[in-house]
Amino acid sequence: DAGVIQSPRHEVTEMGQEVTLRCKPISGHDYLFWYRQTMMRGLELLIYFNNNVPIDDSGMPEDRFSAKMPNASFSTLKIQPSEPRDSAVYFCASSLAQGSNQPQHFGDGTRLSIL
Amino acid sequence: AQSVTQLGSHVSVSEGALVLLRCNYSSSVPPYLFWYVQYPNQGLQLLLKYTSAATLVKGINGFEAEFKKSETSFHLTKPSAHMSDAAEYFCAVSDTGFQKLVFGTGTRLLVSP
Repeated sequence: DAGVIQSPRHEVTEMGQEVTLRCKPISGHDYLFWYRQTMMRGLELLIYFNNNVPIDDSGMPEDRFSAKMPNASFSTLKIQPSEPRDSAVYFCASSLAQGSNQPQHFGDGTRLSIL
Repeated sequence: AQSVTQLGSHVSVSEGALVLLRCNYSSSVPPYLFWYVQYPNQGLQLLLKYTSAATLVKGINGFEAEFKKSETSFHLTKPSAHMSDAAEYFCAVSDTGFQKLVFGTGTRLLVSP
């Protein structure tokens, strides 16, 4: 079975540019999560969706960050304009809705470098 | 709010030695607890989960964890370390009824020959 698919795997861009990260969750999963991982702050939850609706975006650091889920099989995380401090590994994860004992399945991440 | 504390950012063991990675949780309700492993340049993979069915939980790759309510702990163990176990390990907790996970800061396991 295909797992969570993220693209691109690596992104290098200059400060001020728009960055779009993409995620395809596991088919049938109702929840989708976006995380950011850095050495300094560890793994942070940015936002999560249930049935394509954003439930909690309290982890989104600034208005420069936005996330959408137009349908059950696709989500984007956008940074505009990007800054060097946004450099991190961004993970997408998905899970089933049947109670909070359902594990989250992670993609391999997008390594983002802002120059 | 729920939280987990992982003691030791790095743990070093020799191949064949016991692995013990510590996790303590804080929760006002019976928690669901998870251990994940992250290999270099990969996402997190589920090792095992505790959902109140049994206090000793067996996971993949020979790992197991024991839920101890009196100690609010969920330590991860493996009797004999392999070189392939070298990775970062994360403990996580979720509230009953909530899908959100709170992760610990992670413990990097180093295995020497």
